[in-house]
Amino acid sequence: ETGVTQTPRHLVMGMTNKKSLKCEQHLGHNAMYWYKQSAKKPLELMFVYNFKEQTENNSVPSRFSPECPNSSHLFLHLHTLQPEDSALYLCASSQVKIAATGELFFGEGSRLTVL
Amino acid sequence: AQKITQTQPGMFVQEKEAVTLDCTYDTSDPSYGLFWYKQPSSGEMIFLIYQGSYDQQNATEGRYSLNFQKARKSANLVISASQLGDSAMYFCAMREGTGNQFYFGTGTSLTVIP
Repeated sequence: ETGVTQTPRHLVMGMTNKKSLKCEQHLGHNAMYWYKQSAKKPLELMFVYNFKEQTENNSVPSRFSPECPNSSHLFLHLHTLQPEDSALYLCASSQVKIAATGELFFGEGSRLTVL
Repeated sequence: AQKITQTQPGMFVQEKEAVTLDCTYDTSDPSYGLFWYKQPSSGEMIFLIYQGSYDQQNATEGRYSLNFQKARKSANLVISASQLGDSAMYFCAMREGTGNQFYFGTGTSLTVIP
């Protein structure tokens, strides 16, 4: 069983809906991430939180809104999305520490389809 | 310029044979880490192996080894004795310094043939 859990696994929404993706990590890590994975493209980093503070926001449209209430939970709030936002959204966590490899641990992803 | 380049969109290998998946990277930072991940059809990205830029020896983890050629800026993944369960997408990634920015390649789809 993965140490990073994402819900829902699949989501279909219309362009006017509001929904949220949830991520929970059970690994005691201090950093959490949202990535977008589209076909034939590299993973795109969307947001990073270190110790609950947002440290990266890679020019993500405002229709995506992250929330990190504590170091174990991360949300991605979605509203008025576009069909091109359909993708696999991956949550990850890592332990940011000097001399650590700091590899990312991923959840199984939330497959989003925007109609 | 792309930070990570994987030039093989798809690869096939016979069961029990070895296969090499290519990865080249681009950075001017002397301190960096290289990672390989496996993504089966279930979607989860699974960490396989890590190589630090200052590591003198190639990393190995079970059937996985990383052929690290620093001067060529390549970090190829070698899978020995391929198994049917190795069929998946494989991604090479790099992190510069100790930051949170990981750069991923476009991936290689590996199919193991019985």
